[in-house]
Amino acid sequence: QVQLQESGPGLVKPSDTLSLTCAVSGYSIGSDYKWGWIRQPPGKGLEWIGTIYHSGTTYYNPSLKSRVTISLDTSKNQFSLKLSSVTAADTAVYYCARPRSSTVVNRFDYWGQGTLVTVSS
Amino acid sequence: QSVLTQPPSVSAAPGQKVTISCSGSSSNIGNNYVSWYRQLPGTAPKLLIYDNNQRPSGIPDRFSGSKSGTSATLGITGLQTGDEADYYCETWDSSLRAVLFGGGTKLTVL
Repeated sequence: QVQLQESGPGLVKPSDTLSLTCAVSGYSIGSDYKWGWIRQPPGKGLEWIGTIYHSGTTYYNPSLKSRVTISLDTSKNQFSLKLSSVTAADTAVYYCARPRSSTVVNRFDYWGQGTLVTVSS
Repeated sequence: QSVLTQPPSVSAAPGQKVTISCSGSSSNIGNNYVSWYRQLPGTAPKLLIYDNNQRPSGIPDRFSGSKSGTSATLGITGLQTGDEADYYCETWDSSLRAVLFGGGTKLTVL
């Protein structure tokens, strides 16, 4: 059974870089599949942040692309999100997720439980 | 403002049927598969429908999906109070090269 678990600071200062990690168990992330990050501001809808392929290729939301970096660490079986120059608008629950099929970017079937990141001084 | 448009809320009585619409364009829904998710308060979204009308194992056949042109629809029959949740459509946009989510629809079972 594939499981994903987000971790990272719950509070980030404005203009700093938000850094989160998604630890994966039950599957080797370097083998296949595409691994995504999605966020949800309090009381609002879902927003795709970006996806990294098992090969390291990345796709980012055009609206966030200039500030986002997603990377893989196959030795630790985890992938990470960095979002720079954060503002209060980046306050959200951040989810990591995996699609149901290795051939697609979306159709997310496995999700972490989510972690709330608040941007505040 | 989401590229995919959903009604903010829908409601129906227990045992009844409800439909939730998701409207897009040719670059997203019109040429790509649609998925639907249910999100209960305080929990991660759960995949209900993928590839327009396919249900993952464990999802009851009370849930159905369809697509026509640049719109998609989620149907739920035999409504239960436990179906009260937020529902989101999702698809790929070929022009933006991005995954899109609808704005979400809050279902109330009266």
